[in-house]
Amino acid sequence: GAGVSQSPSNKVTEKGKDVELRCDPISGHTALYWYRQSLGQGLEFLIYFQGNSAPDKSGLPSDRFSAERTGGSVSTLTIQRTQQEDSAVYLCASSPQPTGLAGNTIYFGEGSWLTVV
Amino acid sequence: DQQVKQNSPSLSVQEGRISILNCDYTNSMFDYFLWYKKYPAEGPTFLISISSIKDKNEDGRFTVFLNKSAKHLSLHIVPSQPGDSAVYFCAANRHGDKLIFGTGTRLQVFP
Repeated sequence: GAGVSQSPSNKVTEKGKDVELRCDPISGHTALYWYRQSLGQGLEFLIYFQGNSAPDKSGLPSDRFSAERTGGSVSTLTIQRTQQEDSAVYLCASSPQPTGLAGNTIYFGEGSWLTVV
Repeated sequence: DQQVKQNSPSLSVQEGRISILNCDYTNSMFDYFLWYKKYPAEGPTFLISISSIKDKNEDGRFTVFLNKSAKHLSLHIVPSQPGDSAVYFCAANRHGDKLIFGTGTRLQVFP
């Protein structure tokens, strides 16, 4: 597709369940990012990928969060044993440039809205 | 530690007037600054950017100003239109590293 695609667009899950969120970046984009926005908060960095490797996982809030990227394309963010504070919109973004180059603009998907009840 | 700060959570401006959105940062090593616009239930979209070697960048109704000594940037929208009503995020990074975002300012443009 033309833009970053995320699925599901909405997910309601029970506390303690695991969830997987998927991101399909813009074709040819080498860098992929995950951010989240909790209610009333800004955009919080979670993790980024350069190709299939993740040089910076510093934003993952706990070991319940993990992410992988395969084939330099699709990425999956997994949240295990979800808690109510995990409720947020999870945003994926991609960039045509590798990280490390100045002037790096990233392009976002529409997000996956996660509600933990 | 909030490296990028938007101290005004909201701003209300009359249509046709100028909107000025402000952003402050603490990391003097940041070398690239961006503004994103976000409508409800949509992802943020890139609006305009500026490199640290410049102090102004203009694109149509949108102008971004950078004051490195004050570690401050601003986005000017003139004239403001009702369709500009959205949340605006400023962001910064260093050497193409991950973007650090502010908390956003909700702009409302009324007729």
